[in-house]
Amino acid sequence: GNSVTQMEGPVTLSEEAFLTINCTYTATGYPSLFWYVQYPGEGLQLLLKATKADDKGSNKGFEATYRKETTSFHLEKGSVQVSDSAVYFCALRGNTNAGKSTFGDGTTLTVKP
Amino acid sequence: DTAVSQTPKYLVTQMGNDKSIKCEQNLGHDTMYWYKQDSKKFLKIMFSYNNKELIINETVPNRFSPKSPDKAHLNLHINSLELGDSAVYFCASSQDSANYGYTFGSGTRLTVV
Repeated sequence: GNSVTQMEGPVTLSEEAFLTINCTYTATGYPSLFWYVQYPGEGLQLLLKATKADDKGSNKGFEATYRKETTSFHLEKGSVQVSDSAVYFCALRGNTNAGKSTFGDGTTLTVKP
Repeated sequence: DTAVSQTPKYLVTQMGNDKSIKCEQNLGHDTMYWYKQDSKKFLKIMFSYNNKELIINETVPNRFSPKSPDKAHLNLHINSLELGDSAVYFCASSQDSANYGYTFGSGTRLTVV
């Protein structure tokens, strides 16, 4: 079946540091890949997505590239802010299994001033 | 505003009680979901409906019963609540295609005492 493995947290960075959160996946077929962000006390929000190999998703300074050869979709940001402190979820969604999304376990990011 | 809205936001109840959580989306999406998020932030899918038809029913105690009166609404009824049911429950909706991400509600924090 499908699975998503995320870098374990928590991750603590200083403001303006470079962020990478690793995500690898196992899937049948050609899934779409997503990153979601969950701020404290809120629901998950779609941050960015990529629907085919070599696509790059980007939003709010975050980027991730769909790498089919390494089955990866790592999240990056060049300079994090305190307001980026949240839980980040990597997910995939395929056309099988009723189109269900498979989520990673989440990575908690804390950015200190 | 276009959104996924769920009520109530907080629910504190005693063991053995029966409670319901309601969810509505006005995005015109065909598919709706219920997820459970535990204290470690792990997300677990419970149910999914597509156009009022149940399409995903994961291993969930039969004390949990979803109901979808129309494709814009998906409610969750829980009988005989147990301490282990304490969690945050999220409703989500999506277009019926792997290229689309989910839109989540803001969650219902259920505490069973």
